[in-house]
Amino acid sequence: GAGVSQSPSNKVTEKGKDVELRCDPISGHTALYWYRQSLGQGLEFLIYFQGNSAPDKSGLPSDRFSAERTGGSVSTLTIQRTQQEDSAVYLCASSLDPGAGGNTIYFGEGSWLTVV
Amino acid sequence: QKEVEQDPGPLSVPEGAIVSLNCTYSNSAFQYFMWYRQYSRKGPELLMYTYSSGNKEDGRFTAQVDKSSKYISLFIRDSQPSDSATYLCAMSFTGGGNKLTFGTGTQLKVEL
Repeated sequence: GAGVSQSPSNKVTEKGKDVELRCDPISGHTALYWYRQSLGQGLEFLIYFQGNSAPDKSGLPSDRFSAERTGGSVSTLTIQRTQQEDSAVYLCASSLDPGAGGNTIYFGEGSWLTVV
Repeated sequence: QKEVEQDPGPLSVPEGAIVSLNCTYSNSAFQYFMWYRQYSRKGPELLMYTYSSGNKEDGRFTAQVDKSSKYISLFIRDSQPSDSATYLCAMSFTGGGNKLTFGTGTQLKVEL
């Protein structure tokens, strides 16, 4: 596709349920990122995948959060046992290899998660 | 204290005004500085990208970085209603990939 594609665009879930958010990066982009944007908090880094390297998970807020990237392309962010404080916009982004000058990150439109 | 501080606004200006948006930061290791524009319910889009100190101009937009003061600015000349959006500053370390640290964003409204 032409840009980063995320689904679902909106998700309302009950507290305690698990949710999966999907990201399809720009074709050819080896780097993929997940950020979270909460009201008044700006964007918060969650996790970064680059090629076949081990992902940088340093931003994941708890062990309820996990992400995987299959085949170097599509990524899924999973939140288990959702809590109300997980309500936010989850933004996926991709770029060319940062180590090879891929400095521009392209963001998707986000998945708006509401936990009730 | 947050690593990157940004006044959330809202900032309201008349059409044609010069807009100044700013961020301060605390970590002197940041080397790459960016400004993103985010329209309501959309993802951020990159406006300006600078490395280390100095100025960079692109059309009506000018980005300035003053590493000695740990202060970055974005100037918008001849502001238009279409510039109404939230502006986010972001920065990263050398060797940090594109792992960005963002400010909270400044909401800008350009009035007719």
